[in-house]
Amino acid sequence: AQSVSQHNHHVILSEAASLELGCNYSYGGTVNLFWYVQYPGQHLQLLLKYFSGDPLVKGIKGFEAEFIKSKFSFNLRKPSVQWSDTAEYFCAGEGSGNTGKLIFGQGTTLQVKP
Amino acid sequence: DADVTQTPRNRITKTGKRIMLECSQTKGHDRMYWYRQDPGLGLRLIYYSFDVKDINKGEISDGYSVSRQAQAKFSLSLESAIPNQTALYFCATSESRGQETQYFGPGTRLLVL
Repeated sequence: AQSVSQHNHHVILSEAASLELGCNYSYGGTVNLFWYVQYPGQHLQLLLKYFSGDPLVKGIKGFEAEFIKSKFSFNLRKPSVQWSDTAEYFCAGEGSGNTGKLIFGQGTTLQVKP
Repeated sequence: DADVTQTPRNRITKTGKRIMLECSQTKGHDRMYWYRQDPGLGLRLIYYSFDVKDINKGEISDGYSVSRQAQAKFSLSLESAIPNQTALYFCATSESRGQETQYFGPGTRLLVL
């Protein structure tokens, strides 16, 4: 069955620390991968997405993610977090076939201490 | 102005009541989705619609129904609400091609007593 897993449920960091949030997927064929963020009181919005090509993708606000096919992973990274990065982060996958159907991971709550 | 709006934003209802959540979009997208979010479970797809005449069940459709009244409107109904339907409900839209970003509404927080 298709699935997306996020292993870090709650992460607490100090400002300027580096961030890496884990995401693993299980899909039978090709997969499109996304990271969405939900800031407190705001809508979910897209951080970045990967379909093909360069496995290192850059998104908004200094975030990047690396697609590692051999590890079935799509981890989110940021070299230096800010207090404003406090939010919930969701990894999601879309199977091949133009389905539009996203499977989300459980989410990771990031708390950045000033 | 928001591109994807949801009404109501908050709702408290009682077990057995029928309730409708509404979603409207001004993005001109054909595809619309309904998700529910539960703590520790992420978002799960309830129903999705590729156009007005194309409606499909998602991962957790039992106990829910939908209506696509127009390209811009997609409603979710709980015919007889039960407490385990207490959740945060999100509507989303996307363009018709695959690999597209989904745009989310602000969510409706539903409490079923």
